[in-house]
Amino acid sequence: DTGVSQDPRHKITKRGQNVTFRCDPISEHNRLYWYRQTLGQGPEFLTYFQNEAQLEKSRLLSDRFSAERPKGSFSTLEIQRTEQGDSAMYLCASSLENPRRAFFGQGTRLTVV
Amino acid sequence: AQTVTQSQPEMSVQEAETVTLSCTYDTSESDYYLFWYKQPPSRQMILVIRQEAYKQQNATENRFSVNFQKAAKSFSLKISDSQLGDAAMYFCAYRSAQGGSEKLVFGKGTKLTVNP
Repeated sequence: DTGVSQDPRHKITKRGQNVTFRCDPISEHNRLYWYRQTLGQGPEFLTYFQNEAQLEKSRLLSDRFSAERPKGSFSTLEIQRTEQGDSAMYLCASSLENPRRAFFGQGTRLTVV
Repeated sequence: AQTVTQSQPEMSVQEAETVTLSCTYDTSESDYYLFWYKQPPSRQMILVIRQEAYKQQNATENRFSVNFQKAAKSFSLKISDSQLGDAAMYFCAYRSAQGGSEKLVFGKGTKLTVNP
């Protein structure tokens, strides 16, 4: 499967714990995006990388959230001191420079209890 | 800030019939892209169709076509000859072509049910 891969698919954590998600984009894609989707809503943009550079961040990405993309390959999204409001599906997508068509992964579903 | 509105939380269609999903958006920009994405249950979101705002011609992809009305800021999706596999959440999305922003702005989605 050469699509966007996300790990884990599901994560249950206690409030206050830290969690980290991984995204492996399609290999030749230099652009990588993170979105958050809560129940009954469309995805909301979190952040965007071009290669290893984080070029855009949403105000949704509070100080407890950090994303990295070392070497411009896979990316990680870490949430520190999780809160119940962080419960959501976290989606990763990647694209080429041109055409800028985003391919999405299946997401990581986070439940904070 | 741009917003995308999908006024139909749920729609249903009989197999082989045609259905139209509505989407309106608000922007002050003149250059942008519009998309329809499909999200089947427990599956990843996939791009159905894309429209560049500078193109007057409506985009078409097989059974999927759009009605893009730039002045009205309307971007509806028509699915012809509906199939059971079309059942999914459908999201309308906007992306600016100005200012370097890469973010997609999504609507809340329309759940499409296809009845056999």
